Amino acid sequence: EPEVTQTPSHQVTQMGQEVILRCVPISNHLYFYWYRQILGQKVEFLVSFYNNEISEKSEIFDDQFSVERPDGSNFTLKIRSTKLEDSAMYFCASSAQGVKNTGELFFGEGSRLTVL
Amino acid sequence: RKEVEQDPGPFNVPEGATVAFNCTYSNSASQSFFWYRQDCRKEPKLLMSVYSSGNEDGRFTAQLNRASQYISLLIRDSKLSDSATYLCVVHAGKSTFGDGTTLTVKP
Repeated sequence: EPEVTQTPSHQVTQMGQEVILRCVPISNHLYFYWYRQILGQKVEFLVSFYNNEISEKSEIFDDQFSVERPDGSNFTLKIRSTKLEDSAMYFCASSAQGVKNTGELFFGEGSRLTVL
Repeated sequence: RKEVEQDPGPFNVPEGATVAFNCTYSNSASQSFFWYRQDCRKEPKLLMSVYSSGNEDGRFTAQLNRASQYISLLIRDSKLSDSATYLCVVHAGKSTFGDGTTLTVKP
């Protein structure tokens, strides 16, 4: 069964450092998303990406965050200068296009970011 | 008002019990509705989509009431393996998650 893969599974970084989280969405999907979940809290939408541009972003997704699809397979989330409150599980998700796009999301296993 | 609001829980039930979760949403333009399941420290996984006519998948039944902007999930004959957090997800351009309702099924 096709799946979304994420790397790294866990990253520990110092406050102020840049972090890049990587995702390989399902190959025939064209909508990509990042969500985050702070430990013990709800899953929060960060950003959606379609046709090589951001289609929607939340208030959380400020100038410290950026996304990129550098090649045909990877979808990355960059945090420029990490803060303690960025510590969370970051989930990448993808969904199908067009009439098949019912909004059903397929999630990766997540990348746990710990900022010290 | 939260965009998606779920029963706060937690729900602790014995095996074999029937349990129902409720969810309300604020955006009347919402297009698609889902129940996801999330196990501890794992990614959310789709449990079932929710259709206007209501739908059933084995022990699970989902209902949608667009007029009341309300979604429900009924689990019959609950199993130990049903223990998880159940997330109501509403899609209107983007997918918005409820806070989740935690279910613990005990022997």
